[in-house]
Amino acid sequence: KAGVTQTPRYLIKTRGQQVTLSCSPISGHRSVSWYQQTPGQGLQFLFEYFSETQRNKGNFPGRFSGRQFSNSRSEMNVSTLELGDSALYLCASSLDIRNGYTFGSGTRLTVV
Amino acid sequence: AQSVSQHNHHVILSEAASLELGCNYSYGGTVNLFWYVQYPGQHLQLLLKYFSGDPLVKGIKGFEAEFIKSKFSFNLRKPSVQWSDTAEYFCAVNGGGGFKTIFGAGTRLFVKA
Repeated sequence: KAGVTQTPRYLIKTRGQQVTLSCSPISGHRSVSWYQQTPGQGLQFLFEYFSETQRNKGNFPGRFSGRQFSNSRSEMNVSTLELGDSALYLCASSLDIRNGYTFGSGTRLTVV
Repeated sequence: AQSVSQHNHHVILSEAASLELGCNYSYGGTVNLFWYVQYPGQHLQLLLKYFSGDPLVKGIKGFEAEFIKSKFSFNLRKPSVQWSDTAEYFCAVNGGGGFKTIFGAGTRLFVKA
């Protein structure tokens, strides 16, 4: 079966711009989580969605937002980009948290 | 709040050496525990998981981990590493079936051929 698909794979944006990242989970997986991965901070939890509802949110500023659609696809948006937002953004889906996540390959965002 | 601590940031071993990577977590209730691996150029993948039952769990590629509740630990082991085990390993904790899984900082393992 198809894995978790994230688009685009790479993005270069300028400070102050906004960006939208997309994630298509594994078919049947209704939970989608987003993480920011950087060399210094590791994986930091952004938010988790289930059936179009955000169930948990990490400690990120309000510039980071997300949503989930009825088909479980999810998007995250970062507004007013800062240099420090440069990172690999990972999407993960799960059927049941006890079974763990399936991760996508990520979107590498570079802010210049 | 949940937290996860991985003791070693970098480990270098020769092939056939034994491996043990430490992981400790802080959470007072029921936990779901995971180890993930990220091979060079590849995405994160699940190595093994624990949520109940036998505290010694076996995963893919000969890896195993032991949950010691009294020590809040979930250490990863492999009796004999191979060059292909070179990767970054992440311990992760989900507390009480909640909706947030916390990851440790990761351990980079380099296996010399």
